[in-house]
Amino acid sequence: KAGVTQTPRYLIKTRGQQVTLSCSPISGHRSVSWYQQTPGQGLQFLFEYFSETQRNKGNFPGRFSGRQFSNSRSEMNVSTLELGDSALYLCASSTTMTRDWLPNEQFFGPGTRLTVL
Amino acid sequence: GQQVMQIPQYQHVQEGEDFTTYCNSSTTLSNIQWYKQRPGGHPVFLIQLVKSGEVKKQKRLTFQFGEAKKNSSLHITATQTTDVGTYFCALAGGTSYGKLTFGQGTILTVHP
Repeated sequence: KAGVTQTPRYLIKTRGQQVTLSCSPISGHRSVSWYQQTPGQGLQFLFEYFSETQRNKGNFPGRFSGRQFSNSRSEMNVSTLELGDSALYLCASSTTMTRDWLPNEQFFGPGTRLTVL
Repeated sequence: GQQVMQIPQYQHVQEGEDFTTYCNSSTTLSNIQWYKQRPGGHPVFLIQLVKSGEVKKQKRLTFQFGEAKKNSSLHITATQTTDVGTYFCALAGGTSYGKLTFGQGTILTVHP
């Protein structure tokens, strides 16, 4: 099975611009989560989608949004970019949660390295 | 939100020495997962612990879940240079039910 793929792998933007990142989960995985990774804040949860619905959301401003398509592919968008948005954005897919609503093993993609100048 | 503390932040060891990283939560956990991220790579799942007092082993790696389900540890016996990377714990449960909260990670350096 192919792993999680993310495009683009690298991106350079300037402040005020917006950006869209794409993630294709492992075939059969319907849950897609997004994380922001920075040296200072570590891995921070952005949001999680399942069957085109956002089920969980982290503590990020409304400039960060996402969506999921019927084929489980997901995109995240960041509007009005700020310098502090420079980070590695990781997408992870998994099978649905356990019956106790616990997250299953997350399969991470290689990430998109976003640099905001 | 859910608080998680992972210590130490950094650990330097000589090849062959043991290594342990600890993860502590302010709330009772439903489960805990451990991930490893190699330099320049992405996190890779290692294991999931669910039961109180659970101990699981993977070759030289031993994972433990505390009796009160508020802490966990990862122990590596006789480290090798291939063990280099950042080890993260990820928590589910408490106020973050249904999503994972990652610890800050422990960066392991192994000197040959």
